[in-house]
Amino acid sequence: ETGVTQTPRHLVMGMTNKKSLKCEQHLGHNAMYWYKQSAKKPLELMFVYNFKEQTENNSVPSRFSPECPNSSHLFLHLHTLQPEDSALYLCASSPLGGAGLGGETQYFGPGTRLLVL
Amino acid sequence: DAKTTQPPSMDCAEGRAANLPCNHSTISGNEYVYWYRQIHSQGPQYIIHGLKNNETNEMASLIITEDRKSSTLILPHATLRDTAVYYCIVRVAGSQGNLIFGKGTKLSVKP
Repeated sequence: ETGVTQTPRHLVMGMTNKKSLKCEQHLGHNAMYWYKQSAKKPLELMFVYNFKEQTENNSVPSRFSPECPNSSHLFLHLHTLQPEDSALYLCASSPLGGAGLGGETQYFGPGTRLLVL
Repeated sequence: DAKTTQPPSMDCAEGRAANLPCNHSTISGNEYVYWYRQIHSQGPQYIIHGLKNNETNEMASLIITEDRKSSTLILPHATLRDTAVYYCIVRVAGSQGNLIFGKGTKLSVKP
């Protein structure tokens, strides 16, 4: 248990569906992240939020729409996805400027395994 | 971030210490050494990190050589649940950029 939870853990959706992934962190952190991990590929950073404000978007297609209503919650809204979007979607959080941590240690949730048919 | 090199796989007997090496010969002075692991189909798990001193927590110990060009992660009493891919990452302090996991070391703990 890392203090970062993600729901649902598994999701199957058609290409015309709209769904949302939810992430919640109980660590008091101020930064949250979405990553994509495809089979046999390294992690790909998608979005970074600091204090609820998006600070990084790594050229992610608009069919992925993030939302960060507060520092503890992060959503990823999905619509008209493609089969190649099937992957493990990981949420992470980090303190953002926490003293003594020597960096931004990121703590990950268990991920949502997404299958697009 | 500096590049790291790790052996692709290692075996360890249950109950014995697992020593996982990592080379980071191009590390710069403001870069930390981080270790994560990923059990199949789960999210990466943070283990430990350090700058130049050896570090220990409830999960593992991190030994960094004096020249900082290599490090070793030690799991003192490996269990079957420690079977995972272990990633050594070098990152600039305060960096929020993409975590580059590389290929890591697949540790298999055997009974």
